[in-house]
Amino acid sequence: GEDVEQSLFLSVREGDSSVINCTYTDSSSTYLYWYKQEPGAGLQLLTYIFSNMDMKQDQRLTVLLNKKDKHLSLRIADTQTGDSAIYFCAESMGEDKIIFGKGTRLHILP
Amino acid sequence: GAGVSQTPSNKVTEKGKYVELRCDPISGHTALYWYRQSLGQGPEFLIYFQGTGAADDSGLPNDRFFAVRPEGSVSTLKIQRTERGDSAVYLCASSLTGGATEAFFGQGTRLTVV
Repeated sequence: GEDVEQSLFLSVREGDSSVINCTYTDSSSTYLYWYKQEPGAGLQLLTYIFSNMDMKQDQRLTVLLNKKDKHLSLRIADTQTGDSAIYFCAESMGEDKIIFGKGTRLHILP
Repeated sequence: GAGVSQTPSNKVTEKGKYVELRCDPISGHTALYWYRQSLGQGPEFLIYFQGTGAADDSGLPNDRFFAVRPEGSVSTLKIQRTERGDSAVYLCASSLTGGATEAFFGQGTRLTVV
């Protein structure tokens, strides 16, 4: 079946790197995603990676994919207060439904 | 419009009543998705439209839930005989041709059943 697991909370000091981890079960997933949700705001797609890639970098964001272990991570370099949000790991097989994890709440310490 | 618009933003209804939630997708987007997000959970897929037809409705929890998109643009999610467990934020997303990688989400409708 389809399932996406991620830890619920992460606290990081401002300026440090944040690493949010996720595991998924569906080996036929084509795309893996990271979404950001801030209070009162809609879901924002941060980045995504094709399942045949193992890394993608976009400014402060680095996504690592270990397909063998079905493990996805999101690294945010130089974490800032504006990064405080809930981050959702998700998977899909194309244009159809996206399966989301429960989200990791990132808390930034001063 | 500039983004996906959902109305109302908040809806409080009594148990047993019927509700309709509306989604206005981005102009020209052929694909439209409905999700439900309960407190402390990630969004849960309900239904996906490609044009006017429901391409995948496997996420609708039971026959009290129904969605339409008669002209391939605006969609309405309809919930009959609401139950307290239906309380959640209902999210709508649209994409140009049907790729989840290009889906944009609305702000959601918070439904509270009392």
